[in-house]
Amino acid sequence: DVKVTQSSRYLVKRTGEKVFLECVQDMDHENMFWYRQDPGLGLRLIYFSYDVKMKEKGDIPEGYSVSREKKERFSLILESASTNQTSMYLCASRSSAAYRVGELFFGEGSRLTVL
Amino acid sequence: GDSVTQMEGPVTLSEEAFLTINCTYTATGYPSLFWYVQYPGEGLQLLLKATKADDKGSNKGFEATYRKETTSFHLEKGSVQVSDSAVYFCALYLTGTASKLTFGTGTRLQVTL
Repeated sequence: DVKVTQSSRYLVKRTGEKVFLECVQDMDHENMFWYRQDPGLGLRLIYFSYDVKMKEKGDIPEGYSVSREKKERFSLILESASTNQTSMYLCASRSSAAYRVGELFFGEGSRLTVL
Repeated sequence: GDSVTQMEGPVTLSEEAFLTINCTYTATGYPSLFWYVQYPGEGLQLLLKATKADDKGSNKGFEATYRKETTSFHLEKGSVQVSDSAVYFCALYLTGTASKLTFGTGTRLQVTL
């Protein structure tokens, strides 16, 4: 069974802390994504990665960075957490095959609360 | 820019009722269209898709038809079950848009006995 695993389901951090959210996929997918999900706003793309060591900004990259050192792992970093980053964070992966480009596989999400 | 508009929820139905969740889109080209579903406590999963006009996607009793003339992709099910209670997201994908999906805001469905 294919799987995208996010390291933490729930985190509570303080303002100013550095936060790492980890995501691992076992499907050998080239593309990986980080979204945040907020009520009434749906899913918004933070960053994505086409391949190892490659990254592209999404719609809301401010305050975030990412790292992709290995194909299966994509990390989201909040350098200095702020309360407006309290949210549900969703990682997803996707094959680069043309006929599957819209088919994302999601992890269960990481709910981050910043106090 | 490209966008997806979904009907606001929550939608509350009795079991065996007919379901429609409206979705319309705005896009500069000819997108592929998707419905994703998020069950409580889980991530999103693909429910169905359609890649060109007049295509019908279907899965688990759900259907949606790609209507180019009305730029719509409404989700329907003839008889909902309590287990269908979830949040449903409509999304579009355009080739050349940096490979990203554009999602709607989601519609929560609650099915009661």
